[in-house]
Amino acid sequence: NAGVTQTPKFRVLKTGQSMTLLCAQDMNHEYMYWYRQDPGMGLRLIHYSVGEGTTAKGEVPDGYNVSRLKKQNFLLGLESAAPSQTSVYFCASSYNHEQFFGPGTRLTVL
Amino acid sequence: EDQVTQSPEALRLQEGESSSLNCSYTVSGLRGLFWYRQDPGKGPEFLFTLYSAGEEKEKERLKATLTKKESFLHITAPKPEDSATYLCAVQGLNNDMRFGAGTRLTVKP
Repeated sequence: NAGVTQTPKFRVLKTGQSMTLLCAQDMNHEYMYWYRQDPGMGLRLIHYSVGEGTTAKGEVPDGYNVSRLKKQNFLLGLESAAPSQTSVYFCASSYNHEQFFGPGTRLTVL
Repeated sequence: EDQVTQSPEALRLQEGESSSLNCSYTVSGLRGLFWYRQDPGKGPEFLFTLYSAGEEKEKERLKATLTKKESFLHITAPKPEDSATYLCAVQGLNNDMRFGAGTRLTVKP
């Protein structure tokens, strides 16, 4: 089992560019989450999904969109990147309240 | 609005020196309170889930307790390999997850 994987691991964007972060899990979990982690602020929930075809907003959803077309994948999109979106992004999936996290994507927006 | 506050921000201990980390929370209906460990450059790793006041859970040198307003992570006789950032999170009735900023623990040999 690979667990939760994230693609890419690192990315540098220019302001205004778009990109998609991919999260994949092979544990057949219903729930999936996208977080961002900034120094001194802990993890903040961006969007989450309680099952295939469903998504919901978290604490900081502005500037991001998500899709859950397949149960095993959860995509996070940035349509027009801004320097404020420079962060480390973590994906997680959960079963019975226990969350399993991916290794993270470090994104820099110049 | 759900809130989680962790203290202290950083804690330095000598090997074998026991201590506690605090997590204070406000939430509209608690589904669960979670403790995670995070090593530098890695994703958080699940430690415990607590569901109701009075509940306790243990794992090796760690013990988590829960009241209606706060949770404690007690570390007994810590070792250098316990050095990490410890994160607390709560999940309310709306399924939203709210994390604290974490406590960075350093255990010196």
